[in-house]
Amino acid sequence: DVKVTQSSRYLVKRTGEKVFLECVQDMDHENMFWYRQDPGLGLRLIYFSYDVKMKEKGDIPEGYSVSREKKERFSLILESASTNQTSMYLCASSSHRTVKYQETQYFGPGTRLLVL
Amino acid sequence: AQSVSQHNHHVILSEAASLELGCNYSYGGTVNLFWYVQYPGQHLQLLLKYFSGDPLVKGIKGFEAEFIKSKFSFNLRKPSVQWSDTAEYFCAVNADNAGNMLTFGGGTRLMVKP
Repeated sequence: DVKVTQSSRYLVKRTGEKVFLECVQDMDHENMFWYRQDPGLGLRLIYFSYDVKMKEKGDIPEGYSVSREKKERFSLILESASTNQTSMYLCASSSHRTVKYQETQYFGPGTRLLVL
Repeated sequence: AQSVSQHNHHVILSEAASLELGCNYSYGGTVNLFWYVQYPGQHLQLLLKYFSGDPLVKGIKGFEAEFIKSKFSFNLRKPSVQWSDTAEYFCAVNADNAGNMLTFGGGTRLMVKP
Protein backbone atom coordinates (compact mmCIF):
# COMPACT_ATOMS: atom_id res chain seq x y z
CA ASP A 1 0.00 0.00 0.00
CA VAL A 2 1.08 3.51 -0.74
CA LYS A 3 1.84 5.48 2.34
CA VAL A 4 1.97 9.25 2.44
CA THR A 5 2.80 10.74 5.80
CA GLN A 6 2.76 14.31 7.00
CA SER A 7 4.87 15.52 9.87
CA SER A 8 2.09 17.00 11.99
CA ARG A 9 -1.66 16.51 12.28
CA TYR A 10 -2.20 19.84 14.05
CA LEU A 11 -0.12 23.00 14.19
CA VAL A 12 -0.68 26.34 15.86
CA LYS A 13 1.52 29.23 14.76
CA ARG A 14 1.60 32.98 15.17
CA THR A 15 1.33 35.55 12.42
CA GLY A 16 4.70 36.21 10.85
CA GLU A 17 6.25 32.90 11.83
CA LYS A 18 7.96 30.72 9.24
CA VAL A 19 6.18 27.39 8.98
CA PHE A 20 7.44 24.12 7.51
CA LEU A 21 5.09 21.31 6.56
CA GLU A 22 6.77 18.05 5.66
CA CYS A 23 5.47 15.23 3.51
CA VAL A 24 7.08 11.85 2.88
CA GLN A 25 5.95 9.07 0.53
CA ASP A 26 7.33 5.56 0.47
CA MET A 27 6.39 4.41 -3.04
CA ASP A 28 9.13 6.01 -5.09
CA HIS A 29 6.59 8.29 -6.77
CA GLU A 30 7.87 10.96 -9.11
CA ASN A 31 5.03 13.42 -8.57
CA MET A 32 4.16 15.16 -5.33
CA PHE A 33 1.54 17.80 -4.61
CA TRP A 34 0.49 20.25 -1.93
CA TYR A 35 -3.16 21.28 -1.62
CA ARG A 36 -5.14 23.31 0.84
CA GLN A 37 -8.66 22.24 1.71
CA ASP A 38 -11.23 24.82 2.78
CA PRO A 39 -14.98 24.30 3.36
CA GLY A 40 -16.97 24.81 0.19
CA LEU A 41 -13.86 25.33 -1.91
CA GLY A 42 -12.69 21.74 -2.12
CA LEU A 43 -8.99 21.19 -2.66
CA ARG A 44 -6.89 23.83 -4.35
CA LEU A 45 -3.44 23.07 -5.66
CA ILE A 46 -0.64 25.18 -4.20
CA TYR A 47 2.47 23.65 -5.78
CA PHE A 48 3.52 20.38 -7.30
CA SER A 49 6.76 18.71 -8.22
CA TYR A 50 7.41 16.09 -10.87
CA ASP A 51 11.03 15.43 -10.00
CA VAL A 52 13.71 16.21 -7.47
CA LYS A 53 14.50 19.93 -7.38
CA MET A 54 11.67 20.62 -9.82
CA LYS A 55 8.58 22.59 -8.86
CA GLU A 56 5.59 24.07 -10.60
CA LYS A 57 3.05 26.60 -9.34
CA GLY A 58 -0.47 25.45 -8.88
CA ASP A 59 -3.58 27.60 -8.69
CA ILE A 60 -2.78 29.45 -5.44
CA PRO A 61 1.01 29.67 -4.91
CA GLU A 62 1.11 33.14 -3.37
CA GLY A 63 2.54 33.18 0.13
CA TYR A 64 3.99 29.68 -0.19
CA SER A 65 7.17 28.06 -1.41
CA VAL A 66 8.26 24.43 -1.68
CA SER A 67 11.38 22.33 -1.55
CA ARG A 68 12.09 18.91 -3.01
CA GLU A 69 15.65 17.89 -2.24
CA LYS A 70 14.93 14.16 -2.15
CA LYS A 71 12.48 12.13 -4.19
CA GLU A 72 10.48 10.95 -1.21
CA ARG A 73 10.15 14.29 0.58
CA PHE A 74 8.25 17.42 -0.41
CA SER A 75 8.14 20.39 1.94
CA LEU A 76 5.70 23.29 1.97
CA ILE A 77 6.98 26.54 3.45
CA LEU A 78 4.99 29.49 4.64
CA GLU A 79 7.60 32.25 4.71
CA SER A 80 5.55 34.52 6.94
CA ALA A 81 2.34 32.92 8.12
CA SER A 82 -0.86 34.95 7.96
CA THR A 83 -4.30 34.29 9.40
CA ASN A 84 -5.75 33.64 5.93
CA GLN A 85 -3.44 30.65 5.67
CA THR A 86 -5.35 28.88 8.42
CA SER A 87 -6.48 25.74 6.64
CA MET A 88 -6.11 22.00 6.20
CA TYR A 89 -3.06 21.16 4.11
CA LEU A 90 -2.97 17.91 2.17
CA CYS A 91 0.00 16.30 0.51
CA ALA A 92 -0.38 13.79 -2.31
CA SER A 93 1.85 11.72 -4.54
CA SER A 94 1.50 9.79 -7.78
CA SER A 95 3.66 7.79 -10.11
CA HIS A 96 4.36 9.04 -13.58
CA ARG A 97 2.80 7.15 -16.44
CA THR A 98 3.39 8.03 -20.02
CA VAL A 99 -0.15 7.33 -21.23
CA LYS A 100 -2.41 10.35 -20.88
CA TYR A 101 -1.10 11.08 -17.37
CA GLN A 102 -3.36 8.33 -16.07
CA GLU A 103 -2.28 8.57 -12.51
CA THR A 104 -4.07 8.22 -9.23
CA GLN A 105 -3.03 10.57 -6.48
CA TYR A 106 -2.58 9.16 -2.98
CA PHE A 107 -3.17 11.52 -0.11
CA GLY A 108 -1.67 11.99 3.31
CA PRO A 109 -3.77 12.51 6.47
CA GLY A 110 -3.51 16.28 6.34
CA THR A 111 -2.14 18.96 8.63
CA ARG A 112 -4.61 21.32 10.20
CA LEU A 113 -2.84 24.66 10.60
CA LEU A 114 -4.16 27.46 12.76
CA VAL A 115 -2.44 30.84 12.44
CA LEU A 116 -3.21 33.22 15.27
CA ALA B 1 -8.70 27.06 -16.79
CA GLN B 2 -11.07 24.23 -16.13
CA SER B 3 -13.53 24.31 -13.29
CA VAL B 4 -15.47 21.58 -11.51
CA SER B 5 -18.88 22.14 -9.97
CA GLN B 6 -20.57 20.03 -7.35
CA HIS B 7 -23.97 21.58 -6.94
CA ASN B 8 -25.02 19.70 -3.82
CA HIS B 9 -23.02 20.98 -0.88
CA HIS B 10 -24.88 19.06 1.79
CA VAL B 11 -27.03 15.97 1.34
CA ILE B 12 -28.93 14.17 4.08
CA LEU B 13 -30.40 10.74 3.36
CA SER B 14 -31.87 7.89 5.32
CA GLU B 15 -30.31 4.47 5.13
CA ALA B 16 -31.36 2.48 2.05
CA ALA B 17 -32.15 5.62 0.07
CA SER B 18 -30.59 6.01 -3.36
CA LEU B 19 -27.81 8.52 -3.88
CA GLU B 20 -26.82 10.65 -6.82
CA LEU B 21 -24.21 13.39 -6.48
CA GLY B 22 -23.71 15.74 -9.37
CA CYS B 23 -20.39 16.73 -10.90
CA ASN B 24 -19.95 18.97 -13.92
CA TYR B 25 -16.74 20.25 -15.43
CA SER B 26 -15.98 22.97 -17.91
CA TYR B 27 -13.22 21.62 -20.15
CA GLY B 28 -14.10 20.58 -23.71
CA GLY B 29 -11.15 18.32 -24.42
CA THR B 30 -10.16 14.88 -23.18
CA VAL B 31 -10.44 14.38 -19.46
CA ASN B 32 -9.65 11.85 -16.77
CA LEU B 33 -12.26 11.85 -14.02
CA PHE B 34 -12.13 10.87 -10.37
CA TRP B 35 -14.29 10.66 -7.29
CA TYR B 36 -12.52 10.80 -3.95
CA VAL B 37 -14.07 10.26 -0.54
CA GLN B 38 -13.01 11.53 2.87
CA TYR B 39 -14.51 9.69 5.82
CA PRO B 40 -14.52 11.57 9.12
CA GLY B 41 -10.99 11.76 10.47
CA GLN B 42 -9.51 9.77 7.60
CA HIS B 43 -7.37 10.33 4.52
CA LEU B 44 -8.84 11.34 1.22
CA GLN B 45 -9.07 8.12 -0.77
CA LEU B 46 -9.98 7.15 -4.31
CA LEU B 47 -13.52 5.89 -4.81
CA LEU B 48 -13.40 5.37 -8.58
CA LYS B 49 -11.88 6.75 -11.76
CA TYR B 50 -12.54 7.03 -15.46
CA PHE B 51 -9.79 7.19 -18.05
CA SER B 52 -11.36 5.73 -21.19
CA GLY B 53 -13.67 2.97 -22.41
CA ASP B 54 -17.00 2.10 -20.81
CA PRO B 55 -18.46 5.36 -19.49
CA LEU B 56 -20.08 3.55 -16.58
CA VAL B 57 -17.41 2.84 -14.01
CA LYS B 58 -17.72 0.90 -10.82
CA GLY B 59 -15.78 1.69 -7.71
CA ILE B 60 -15.42 0.45 -4.20
CA LYS B 61 -18.26 -0.03 -1.71
CA GLY B 62 -20.98 -0.29 -4.36
CA PHE B 63 -20.46 3.15 -5.87
CA GLU B 64 -20.59 3.81 -9.60
CA ALA B 65 -20.33 6.85 -11.82
CA GLU B 66 -21.36 7.60 -15.36
CA PHE B 67 -19.39 9.82 -17.70
CA ILE B 68 -21.69 11.69 -20.08
CA LYS B 69 -19.43 13.61 -22.41
CA SER B 70 -22.22 15.64 -24.02
CA LYS B 71 -23.26 16.93 -20.62
CA PHE B 72 -19.71 17.36 -19.24
CA SER B 73 -20.88 15.35 -16.27
CA PHE B 74 -19.59 12.54 -14.08
CA ASN B 75 -22.29 11.88 -11.50
CA LEU B 76 -21.76 9.50 -8.62
CA ARG B 77 -24.46 6.99 -7.70
CA LYS B 78 -25.22 4.33 -5.17
CA PRO B 79 -28.53 2.44 -5.14
CA SER B 80 -28.77 2.04 -1.37
CA VAL B 81 -26.67 4.07 1.06
CA GLN B 82 -25.51 2.96 4.47
CA TRP B 83 -24.73 4.94 7.60
CA SER B 84 -21.05 4.19 6.96
CA ASP B 85 -21.22 6.20 3.71
CA THR B 86 -21.36 9.39 5.76
CA ALA B 87 -18.42 11.34 4.39
CA GLU B 88 -17.39 14.19 2.14
CA TYR B 89 -17.19 13.39 -1.57
CA PHE B 90 -15.00 15.23 -4.06
CA CYS B 91 -15.13 15.10 -7.82
CA ALA B 92 -11.84 15.83 -9.61
CA VAL B 93 -10.85 16.32 -13.23
CA ASN B 94 -7.53 16.03 -15.00
CA ALA B 95 -7.60 17.71 -18.38
CA ASP B 96 -5.29 16.59 -21.16
CA ASN B 97 -3.72 20.05 -21.30
CA ALA B 98 -3.00 20.14 -17.57
CA GLY B 99 -0.31 17.51 -17.17
CA ASN B 100 -0.52 15.98 -13.72
CA MET B 101 -2.79 18.60 -12.23
CA LEU B 102 -6.18 17.77 -10.79
CA THR B 103 -8.96 20.32 -10.41
CA PHE B 104 -11.33 19.51 -7.56
CA GLY B 105 -14.93 20.43 -7.01
CA GLY B 106 -16.01 22.06 -3.77
CA GLY B 107 -17.12 18.79 -2.22
CA THR B 108 -20.45 17.35 -1.09
CA ARG B 109 -20.95 16.50 2.53
CA LEU B 110 -23.21 13.45 2.84
CA MET B 111 -24.92 12.50 6.06
CA VAL B 112 -26.76 9.21 6.22
CA LYS B 113 -29.22 8.86 9.06
CA PRO B 114 -29.46 5.39 10.61
